[in-house]
Amino acid sequence: DQQVKQNSPSLSVQEGRISILNCDYTNSMFDYFLWYKKYPAEGPTFLISISSIKDKNEDGRFTVFLNKSAKHLSLHIVPSQPGDSAVYFCAASESGGGADGLTFGKGTHLIIQP
Amino acid sequence: EAGVAQSPRYKIIEKRQSVAFWCNPISGHATLYWYQQILGQGPKLLIQFQNNGVVDDSQLPKDRFSAERLKGVDSTLKIQPAKLEDSAVYLCATIWGTARGSYEQYFGPGTRLTVT
Repeated sequence: DQQVKQNSPSLSVQEGRISILNCDYTNSMFDYFLWYKKYPAEGPTFLISISSIKDKNEDGRFTVFLNKSAKHLSLHIVPSQPGDSAVYFCAASESGGGADGLTFGKGTHLIIQP
Repeated sequence: EAGVAQSPRYKIIEKRQSVAFWCNPISGHATLYWYQQILGQGPKLLIQFQNNGVVDDSQLPKDRFSAERLKGVDSTLKIQPAKLEDSAVYLCATIWGTARGSYEQYFGPGTRLTVT
């Protein structure tokens, strides 16, 4: 059973527009959520995180929204840039503020069109 | 600053052979993780160490996979014997504490294993 789901395998967005990546989870025990970005032949790179006690966290062009009642989170990238083209993974942790092992979704391949 | 070294970067073996991967996290980081990422999937946790001790190995196929972390620094992950379905990227990670009191996991570049 997949506890973290990213239902869009790929997403194409024009440069300068907003990119919205979605993630759903089923495990009510998850209390810390993270987004990672991955380029080919590299390990995942941490992007942004959010604790379950918050509903929004911003870092520059990146904003993560958490809707606990819907068990849904989303990553907004504004404005989208060509360097944002990568695979984005949603991940979750049950405890430890991210120190425990993470459960990942399958990823969404974001393509920024010039 | 975070940084994780892994070797080799690529490995091709035949099924039933043995293979070992090595990870060197940033010195002083007590927690170390090994993840397996199969093509088209997200990383899956195999094992988590705290210093020399195992915190979580519930998803490690212990009949063929083993891992150790001597002296709480470097770690090795071994597969013996390998199966075709072990073809994947093996990622090592450590954690970095933030001022907010949370943690961020930092990953190495991974070892891509192909079993033929």
